Amino acid sequence: AQSVTQLDSQVPVFEEAPVELRCNYSSSVSVYLFWYVQYPNQGLQLLLKYLSGSTLVKGINGFEAEFNKSQTSFHLRKPSVHISDTAEYFCAVRPGTNTGKLIFGQGTTLQVKP
Amino acid sequence: DSGVTQTPKHLITATGQRVTLRCSPRSGDLSVYWYQQSLDQGLQFLIQYYNGEERAKGNILERFSAQQFPDLHSELNLSSLELGDSALYFCASSDRGSNQPQHFGDGTRLSIL
Repeated sequence: AQSVTQLDSQVPVFEEAPVELRCNYSSSVSVYLFWYVQYPNQGLQLLLKYLSGSTLVKGINGFEAEFNKSQTSFHLRKPSVHISDTAEYFCAVRPGTNTGKLIFGQGTTLQVKP
Repeated sequence: DSGVTQTPKHLITATGQRVTLRCSPRSGDLSVYWYQQSLDQGLQFLIQYYNGEERAKGNILERFSAQQFPDLHSELNLSSLELGDSALYFCASSDRGSNQPQHFGDGTRLSIL
């Protein structure tokens, strides 16, 4: 079975500061990894994905994430955040099988302060 | 705009009732997924359909059922509703291939009174 742990439920940060949202996963099979963002009253929007290849992946809105297989982590980073980045962020894994279900972490609320 | 359309956006009903949530996937996507988002359980996978056939099942209650029609739209039926079924229900769709990202609709917020 697979599981995802997002280590921080809330991350407050000042505008233009860097941020890291942490995600660890557990799986006995290879997985694909995703980060999604959810703005208030909206659905989930894909930020970035890791399927294979380079362990550093870049996504939309200046976000990037690094896959670390030995530490089973997939942390999300942004060098300088904006007020508009305030949202909930979800890390998800997808077992590398024919079933496409996503297993989500509990989410991290990013609060960007002016 | 993800291209995934869910209706209705809000649904208020009473315990014991039955409701149907509808999802139209992105054009060309064959897979449809249903998820439930609640405060206590977080985001939970319910069920997946691929081109009309059930592909995977998650934590879906027996009171819940789903289907995907020949035009690829999907419906999630919830019956004998309980207070604990109040949640946001998301539909997502993807192209073929388990490495394809899922694109989410804006959800249906179900409130049980």
